[in-house]
Amino acid sequence: DTAVSQTPKYLVTQMGNDKSIKCEQNLGHDTMYWYKQDSKKFLKIMFSYNNKELIINETVPNRFSPKSPDKAHLNLHINSLELGDSAVYFCASSQTTVLNTGELFFGEGSRLTVL
Amino acid sequence: QQQVKQSPQSLIVQKGGISIINCAYENTAFDYFPWYQQFPGKGPALLIAIRPDVSEKKEGRFTISFNKSAKQFSLHIMDSQPGDSATYFCAASKGSGYSTLTFGKGTMLLVSP
Repeated sequence: DTAVSQTPKYLVTQMGNDKSIKCEQNLGHDTMYWYKQDSKKFLKIMFSYNNKELIINETVPNRFSPKSPDKAHLNLHINSLELGDSAVYFCASSQTTVLNTGELFFGEGSRLTVL
Repeated sequence: QQQVKQSPQSLIVQKGGISIINCAYENTAFDYFPWYQQFPGKGPALLIAIRPDVSEKKEGRFTISFNKSAKQFSLHIMDSQPGDSATYFCAASKGSGYSTLTFGKGTMLLVSP
């Protein structure tokens, strides 16, 4: 069983469209994240949810809207897609304790290409 | 977020050699320093991590060296193998609560046969 699974793995779409990426983790973790990895491999945090509650929202256009229906799922919806949104989007999860945020477990990524 | 600076951007090492990747940080509140390994088409995975109460941590062929006063830490891969070819990311975070990891920009390592 895959620990952190994302769908779809590949997504090719036209500028202006709306698309969603889904993420599920079966590790029982309480914190989930979305990271964006650009063409230069730079990993940048976008959002973080703890027990379905948004706790971190980095400087991300409001065209990006995360949604966490329960603590095992974190979806990412993107409106009005732009060329610059082309990237690999990684979902991750961790178990947060008082001491630290714990090891991040990443999904395999969703490669979004906007034409 | 405070930056974590990683170098080199890319590295070619011969099989059996030592690969060394360096990172420097600015935020003295950071107290957790992991290294992640990413193979093409996969997500990053934790390789090894250190906290500042020790200056070195070794797991198999992988060693982290940590210099608190210089605010630097490095990954050493001994007896590098072609299977080690991947992108390596250093990262840092504050220890408590909901602190997220700040990643370096990554180092693409190629180990030639």
